[in-house]
Formats: sequence, structure tokens, C-alpha cells
Amino acid sequence: QSALTQPASVSGSPGQSITISCTGTSSDVGTYNYVSWYQQLPGKAPKFMIYDVSNRASGVSNRFSGSKSGNTASLTISGLQAEDEGDYYCTSYTSRATWVFGGGTRLTVL
Amino acid sequence: EMQLVESGGGLVQPGGSLRLSCAASGFTFSSLWMHWVRQAPGKGLVWVSIINTDGGTTRYADSVKGRFTISRDNAKNTLYLQMNSLTVEDTAVYYCARDGGRNLDYWGQGTLVTVSS
Repeated sequence: QSALTQPASVSGSPGQSITISCTGTSSDVGTYNYVSWYQQLPGKAPKFMIYDVSNRASGVSNRFSGSKSGNTASLTISGLQAEDEGDYYCTSYTSRATWVFGGGTRLTVL
Repeated sequence: EMQLVESGGGLVQPGGSLRLSCAASGFTFSSLWMHWVRQAPGKGLVWVSIINTDGGTTRYADSVKGRFTISRDNAKNTLYLQMNSLTVEDTAVYYCARDGGRNLDYWGQGTLVTVSS
């Protein structure tokens, strides 16, 4: 199972919006609405952010939103803040009843 | 308070074995599927395995199939990962995570496994 494709890095200034894409195939993202997103700050365990494509996990700011079109899911962060800086990963359930992660995206807040 | 605490990591030689544990508390462990995920140093997250509530259903990533075995003891609220025939490519932090409905909604802090001669 190949990893989902994410950009290696994105950046934005405080207050701006950024979008991170996550491209899979018809065997995962394209068929299942079980796409979730995770934030990982340096030296920390991943934190659950978005589930089932577009639902925010408990306690997650409404500045974070998710969507999907075809084989590509997206995470959008609006009103960028310095504390958002870190790594972001998508994952999807697959037709083999397994999970696959994206390669991760490093977000830099300028 | 919900907690997942991994243990059992350490240094092992190539070809060796190691068993990781994940102690769960603060939720009904026996009612939830559980995952293992790993992260090599400086690299991304990689899904490893999942187990259902009674241990009767398991799935593995191709990279570990036939070498790793996931299991659980619901009486002890503990998840396990038996790792055999380890290679340097298995060097990583190993996380256990709770399945919240085809997502990984709570993670432990991880345990480091280093495979080196």
C-alpha cells in the first residue's frame, strides 16, 4: 500500500489561510469517507484533529476544516497562528481493511 | 483521565525479537479496536497493525506481515506487539492508538525501538 501524497511543506503568515492536500486512490480516499488528520508538534505524539473527512475532534478550533473531492482530501487552517506550526498527517481507511498515512506536511508560520 | 502508556522498547540486534506493551486506562479498553503506528527517526507516521475487540481479527501492513503479531489481554487492559526477525528498517518510535471509528482518536507517547548491531 503506497503512502498518500502530501506536499512536503507549506507556509503562511499569521492570519492567513493555508490548505494541505492529501491525494490517494480509488482504493482509499476516493471510496471511503474515513479520512482523518493529525497534528504533530515537535517531540510530541500525534493529536487527533479531523475525522470522517470534515468533522472536528473534540476541542479542536473551528479554524481547522476538512474536505474531500475525488481522490484528494484537504485540510484548511484559517487565521493561521504561531502555535499551528508543526507536522500534519492525513490517513485513510483502505479497501484492504488497513490504514494508510500520508507522508506528512511541515507547516511553517512565517 | 484516558491514558495509553507504551513500554518494552529498547536496543535489539538485527534478527532479534522484542515485545511491546501498551497499558490502557480511563476508558473501556475491551470495547475498542486498537492500532500500532510507527515513526522512524525524522520520518513520517506509518500504520502497522490493528486488532478488534476480542483479538479475533487482525490486520497488518505488508512491511511487517509474518514478522509482527498484535494481541491483547482485555483482563489486563493491555495491547501487545510481538516483533520478530527485526531489521534496521524497523527502528522507530512505536505508538499505540485507540480506534474511535475508523480513526485514531487517542495516542500514547510512544516507545523507541532501535535495531542495531
